[in-house]
Amino acid sequence: QKEVEQNSGPLSVPEGAIASLNCTYSDRGSQSFFWYRQYSGKSPELIMFIYSNGDKEDGRFTAQLNKASQYVSLLIRDSQPSDSATYLCAVDARGKLIFGQGTELSVKP
Amino acid sequence: DVKVTQSSRYLVKRTGEKVFLECVQDMDHENMFWYRQDPGLGLRLIYFSYDVKMKEKGDIPEGYSVSREKKERFSLILESASTNQTSMYLCASSVGNNQPQHFGDGTRLSIL
Repeated sequence: QKEVEQNSGPLSVPEGAIASLNCTYSDRGSQSFFWYRQYSGKSPELIMFIYSNGDKEDGRFTAQLNKASQYVSLLIRDSQPSDSATYLCAVDARGKLIFGQGTELSVKP
Repeated sequence: DVKVTQSSRYLVKRTGEKVFLECVQDMDHENMFWYRQDPGLGLRLIYFSYDVKMKEKGDIPEGYSVSREKKERFSLILESASTNQTSMYLCASSVGNNQPQHFGDGTRLSIL
């Protein structure tokens, strides 16, 4: 079993809809969870991070953690074509980050 | 804002050459990392460093070495470049363990 798993997609949503991205992790001891956005040909850009003490909202983005089921989700409200990118989930593991393979999101006008 | 600067965006080298990739961060971060990213394989950790002159192997250290003589600078060295090291190389830094990592723009390296 991979340490961090994401559905590779592509996930296609219409403009204005809610995009829901999910990530499961295997290490129950993980305390920190990160979401990165990566446009084609560019480097990953940090969008949000949460710790095991709760969810977080920042503008159109909400990160949620379900520790019991070991998954973390990213919701993007009012999706825009500019949100089209690959979204990487990362989980802390003994001082390092373990990255998922990423989910490709496509927002259609 | 955190600034992580990689010395080259694009680099072309020949097999057998010794290749140096440089990374500098301006936020006094303790931790620095080198990854490579390949289609279908995701981000893979090559080496990382928690402190000056300290280094730890990541998941794929073979064929690479690193140097951290100053806190702000972390260098990746390809001892004898091979075609299978053609990839996008990404440097990142973080203030400490379990903290967000901030990435540089990446170096697209081609080995011919």
